[in-house]
Amino acid sequence: DGGITQSPKYLFRKEGQNVTLSCEQNLNHDAMYWYRQDPGQGLRLIYYSQIVNDFQKGDIAEGYSVSREKKESFPLTVTSAQKNPTAFYLCASSISGTGSAEAFFGQGTRLTVV
Amino acid sequence: QQQVKQSPQSLIVQKGGISIINCAYENTAFDYFPWYQQFPGKGPALLIAIRPDVSEKKEGRFTISFNKSAKQFSLHIMDSQPGDSATYFCAATLTGANNLFFGTGTRLTVIP
Repeated sequence: DGGITQSPKYLFRKEGQNVTLSCEQNLNHDAMYWYRQDPGQGLRLIYYSQIVNDFQKGDIAEGYSVSREKKESFPLTVTSAQKNPTAFYLCASSISGTGSAEAFFGQGTRLTVV
Repeated sequence: QQQVKQSPQSLIVQKGGISIINCAYENTAFDYFPWYQQFPGKGPALLIAIRPDVSEKKEGRFTISFNKSAKQFSLHIMDSQPGDSATYFCAATLTGANNLFFGTGTRLTVIP
C-alpha cells in the first residue's frame, strides 16, 4: 500500500533532549512537509522540501531541523531550543511543491515533554 | 496573522441534519480551496476542493459553496451521519506556493 509512515506514534522527551521524528513515503512524491498541530490553532508549517538535498523554513521553524537525503525520507528533529515542543506533528507529501496539489498526510506523532 | 478564518470552533448536529462550516480568507490571490477531514489520532485527509472559477462543487453529501466577492467559502454536509463526526479544516493556497494555509478547525459531532 502506498502512503506515508510516521514513527513513532507516541514519543516522550525529557527537557533538554533532542528527538527525531521519522517520516517515510512510498508515493514517489517530490514535495514533503512537516506541520505542527495544536488545539485551536490548526496546522502550522514547520519545514518543507521540494527536492532531495533542499528544504525551506516554514512559519514556525525555530527550534526544529530537517534533512532530505533521500526522496522517500524527511526526518524532523525537535531540538532543545524548541521551548514548547509538546504537540501533534504531521508529515505530508504531494506530487509537486505547488500548493494546489493534494497533500497526503501521515498518521502523526504525538510528542510530549516530561 | 491567520490567513484563513474558520467558524464555528465546534458544532453539534442531529443525525440527518445539515452541518455547515464557514471559512473566510483575505488573500485574493488564493486559487485553490481544499477541505480536509481528520479523525481522532489520525492525519487529515482531503475531502473535497474547489477553485474560484465555480461557485459550487458537490461530491455525494458534501458540497462546497464559494463566494468570490465576499472571500468566503463553506462546507455543507447533507444528511449528517455519526460517522461524519470528525474535525474539519478548510485551507487555501495559490498555484506555485509551497504551503497550505489552514483554518483553525471545526470539531463536528453528529448525535444519533
